[in-house]
Amino acid sequence: DTAVSQTPKYLVTQMGNDKSIKCEQNLGHDTMYWYKQDSKKFLKIMFSYNNKELIINETVPNRFSPKSPDKAHLNLHINSLELGDSAVYFCASRPTSGGTDTQYFGPGTRLTVL
Amino acid sequence: GQSLEQPSEVTAVEGAIVQINCTYQTSGFYGLSWYQQHDGGAPTFLSYNALDGLEETGRFSSFLSRSDSYGYLLLQELQMKDSASYFCAVRGRGSTLGRLYFGRGTQLTVWP
Repeated sequence: DTAVSQTPKYLVTQMGNDKSIKCEQNLGHDTMYWYKQDSKKFLKIMFSYNNKELIINETVPNRFSPKSPDKAHLNLHINSLELGDSAVYFCASRPTSGGTDTQYFGPGTRLTVL
Repeated sequence: GQSLEQPSEVTAVEGAIVQINCTYQTSGFYGLSWYQQHDGGAPTFLSYNALDGLEETGRFSSFLSRSDSYGYLLLQELQMKDSASYFCAVRGRGSTLGRLYFGRGTQLTVWP
């Protein structure tokens, strides 16, 4: 009964390649996020979607393009990968109502760019 | 903008009590959250304070003082499995859809 799932868990690729990470949540939440966690564990939001609509777009290179085909899925495509893109990418979801800031994180995708 | 300060690391022994502090600066404030992350794992939600005071959930408690822009996470009866990183996070103005800004995390090491 996985709540938020991501694939792949590990991704090793060469500089300049294009790759995608997929995320799915079965919690019925309206809002989904992509976070990047660097080697020093700093967790920073990249994008947020609400009901398939882009809501938050932090200062992220336009090589990163999120896509939400429906409110249960939020994918992340990265073009022309660079060494600095190496990080753990977390997908998360949150109910729009509820009164707390509880976000449910996926297991993460560890991206290594060689 | 938003900024959060928390200690980078804390160590303690099993059975002890530890407090992890968090001070924040935000343009507007909706609440302070705490997340736990084990090595190689995902952040998991621990607690949320929107109002001043103490919230208790089992061995963990979280406190907030909005006037001081300060909160803490209190972990009691420490166990080895509590060794993890702990992040405070705030939601500020204009983030009605739950944008969280995270602190840089506190690495807690529990010794036997």
